[in-house]
Amino acid sequence: EIVMTQSPATLSVSPGERATLSCRASQSISTNFVWYQQRPGQAPRPLIFGASTRATGIPARFSGSGSGTEFTLTISSMQSEDFAVYYCQQFSKWPITFGQGTRLEI
Amino acid sequence: QVQLQESGPGLVKPSETLSLTCTVSGDSIGRSGHYWGWIRQSPGTGLEWIGSIYYSGSTYYNPSLKSRVTISLDTSKNQFSLNLSSVTAADTAVYYCARRNNFDYWGQGTLVTVSS
Repeated sequence: EIVMTQSPATLSVSPGERATLSCRASQSISTNFVWYQQRPGQAPRPLIFGASTRATGIPARFSGSGSGTEFTLTISSMQSEDFAVYYCQQFSKWPITFGQGTRLEI
Repeated sequence: QVQLQESGPGLVKPSETLSLTCTVSGDSIGRSGHYWGWIRQSPGTGLEWIGSIYYSGSTYYNPSLKSRVTISLDTSKNQFSLNLSSVTAADTAVYYCARRNNFDYWGQGTLVTVSS
């Protein structure tokens, strides 16, 4: 099983600041990778597909990079609605696995 | 616009079988190349993939749940279903259905509580 490890577990940022989240895969997954945002009481929402392609309707302040085993999600200027939990996921090999999540807090 | 909607009992007794259905609109579950999946989230925890089914009917399950899980398609109703047998309190979670293996569309989720 491919283990996805996210860091940090919690990140404290102020509105307007830049946030950088990391996700590491235990083996290479190419770009078979997704970032999600989950707000309380809501289903996860895809943000970034294939490591760097924003999903439809996702603001440009969200960007992703990486391939292989190291991936990064950057939020260039935090807005109030961005404070949520973020998950990474790989679908390169079965079983599909998620990271444990990074909580962005004010 | 693709939409998915989970349905099923919100309360299941221990040792019984949890059964959920996902109704899809805006896409055909028999469409070539598509996977359809189930994911769950226990209260206050992260996301756990349960399993996926290919449009052809091939299934893929999480090894940790494989002995208890069955996922099936009903192309006539454009639905796919999840059965999880011998449930315990540890199976209490919000259950989501989603499209493809990059889970580009999700249902809103349904809370299933296992309790007597």
